[in-house]
Amino acid sequence: DTGVSQDPRHKITKRGQNVTFRCDPISEHNRLYWYRQTLGQGPEFLTYFQNEAQLEKSRLLSDRFSAERPKGSFSTLEIQRTEQGDSAMYLCASSFRGAVNTEAFFGQGTRLTVV
Amino acid sequence: SQQGEEDPQALSIQEGENATMNCSYKTSINNLQWYRQNSGRGLVHLILIRSNEREKHSGRLRVTLDTSKKSSSLLITASRAADTASYFCATDVGTGANNLFFGTGTRLTVIP
Repeated sequence: DTGVSQDPRHKITKRGQNVTFRCDPISEHNRLYWYRQTLGQGPEFLTYFQNEAQLEKSRLLSDRFSAERPKGSFSTLEIQRTEQGDSAMYLCASSFRGAVNTEAFFGQGTRLTVV
Repeated sequence: SQQGEEDPQALSIQEGENATMNCSYKTSINNLQWYRQNSGRGLVHLILIRSNEREKHSGRLRVTLDTSKKSSSLLITASRAADTASYFCATDVGTGANNLFFGTGTRLTVIP
């Protein structure tokens, strides 16, 4: 399967715990995005990487959130000291930004439940 | 705040009928994309239309774009029960902002 993969698919954690999610993008894609989606809403942008550089972060990304893409391939999103309001679907997407814009491909998401 | 707004929020039709969903956005765009999402799953890209295009077709899908009205529509012809999903438009505003802005979606139910 050469699509975007995310791990884990589901995560239940207690409030105050740290969690880390992983995203493996499509191999030739140079851009990687993280989105958060709550029930009944569209995805909200969190951050994106061009290769290994994190070029943009949303103000939704509080200091408890950190994302990395160390070698320009896979990415991790860590949430420290989780709160109940962090419960959501976390979506990763990748695309190739070249001379012609192309579509973003999404993974299946990681559903986080903070109890 | 999100860039796009879909209309209607929910749509229920009989199998075989056509479904039309609309999207309005606020700023100039580079392109506009439509995605489908089945319940609890990731988003599947359907079609991309560039700002200099007015209409695009892909199978049973037809997308129009009116940049003067800052609006787009997605038409699904001869709907099937398997088309039941949420549909989102996403705008790519191009240089200076490098992410997709999604609307709140239209929930389509196709009744067999």
